[in-house]
Amino acid sequence: KQEVTQIPAALSVPEGENLVLNCSFTDSAIYNLQWFRQDPGKGLTSLLLIQSSQREQTSGRLNASLDKSSGRSTLYIAASQPGDSATYLCAVKDNYGQNFVFGPGTRLSVLP
Amino acid sequence: EAGVAQSPRYKIIEKRQSVAFWCNPISGHATLYWYQQILGQGPKLLIQFQNNGVVDDSQLPKDRFSAERLKGVDSTLKIQPAKLEDSAVYLCASSSGTGVSNGYTFGSGTRLTVV
Repeated sequence: KQEVTQIPAALSVPEGENLVLNCSFTDSAIYNLQWFRQDPGKGLTSLLLIQSSQREQTSGRLNASLDKSSGRSTLYIAASQPGDSATYLCAVKDNYGQNFVFGPGTRLSVLP
Repeated sequence: EAGVAQSPRYKIIEKRQSVAFWCNPISGHATLYWYQQILGQGPKLLIQFQNNGVVDDSQLPKDRFSAERLKGVDSTLKIQPAKLEDSAVYLCASSSGTGVSNGYTFGSGTRLTVV
């Protein structure tokens, strides 16, 4: 059974810092991995989707990497801003490609 | 492209009462998911539909939860009777398919409080 963990559970940084969020999964035979952002009281917004054949994806200040063999993904946020404050969740698509298994999320606070 | 619509946004009920949530996925999306997100945790899949058929409901507490997607478009999720531990955000998501390259689009969720 696939299990997804995220470290740290919470992170607080001053504005302008670069930061890395970590995601680990137990079964390396995944098909893709997706990073989401969730604002308080809101649904999930997709940030980046990495296919199993890819090593990384970039969108603006965000860069996500995937290392299937070690069961890890990282989300790098450059030049953080207060508007980046949210919970970041990673999710992996299971062996059969049917649905995502989510991690518990990392709660990020960027202080002005 | 319109997003995934959910209603209501908030609901407060007493334990043992019943409640229903509604979801309208993105037009043309064949796959629809209901997730339960308890405070401080990641979303947990309750049920997955492919058109109007159930693909996976292995984590749905069938003694009290039910869901349907009769015409392969809108879906409703019902809880009867509700328990205190059902307090959570119920998220609906849709996808154009179950293929490995398909990502998800989520609705804003329904926040349920059972008192």
